[in-house]
Amino acid sequence: GDSVTQMEGPVTLSEEAFLTINCTYTATGYPSLFWYVQYPGEGLQLLLKATKADDKGSNKGFEATYRKETTSFHLEKGSVQVSDSAVYFCALAGGTSYGKLTFGQGTILTVHP
Amino acid sequence: GAVVSQHPSWVICKSGTSVKIECRSLDFQATTMFWYRQFPKQSLMLMATSNEGSKATYEQGVEKDKFLINHASLTLSTLTVTSAHPEDSSFYICSARVGGPNQPQHFGDGTRLSIL
Repeated sequence: GDSVTQMEGPVTLSEEAFLTINCTYTATGYPSLFWYVQYPGEGLQLLLKATKADDKGSNKGFEATYRKETTSFHLEKGSVQVSDSAVYFCALAGGTSYGKLTFGQGTILTVHP
Repeated sequence: GAVVSQHPSWVICKSGTSVKIECRSLDFQATTMFWYRQFPKQSLMLMATSNEGSKATYEQGVEKDKFLINHASLTLSTLTVTSAHPEDSSFYICSARVGGPNQPQHFGDGTRLSIL
């Protein structure tokens, strides 16, 4: 079946540091890939998406590229802010688990001033 | 766009009572809605998938008589936790999707349920 693996957390950075959160996936067919962000006590917000190989999703300074050859969708941001502190989930849809989202385990990011 | 509203955001009630949580898509018609449960510091666990006008499809291990789901319209789904007990205390999150299975889900802000 489908699976998504994210880098182990938590990740702690200083403000303005460069962020990378690794995400790799296993799926059949041509899934869509997503990054969601969850702030404390809230639901998930769609951060960015990519629907086919080599697509780059971007939003609020975050970006991720759909790499089919390495089955990866790593999240990056050039300069993080304290307000980026949250839990980040990588997810895929449209693989074997038809119609359902398959989530990674989530990565806690804490940014210090 | 793609706003999903979930209500209530927090509920505390006594053991044995039933609790209803509403999930509404405010600016789109959702072909499919989903209900998740999230334990502290964990990812989301899918409970059930519902399509408007049809019975919900429950994931393995989820009691359908315990967690009643109604999807009466393209913009509203409800989850009722019947005869709630302390072990049902959790964070419940709904989501809605418009379009096919490769499209993103849009999530509500969640409901914190505490059963005393």
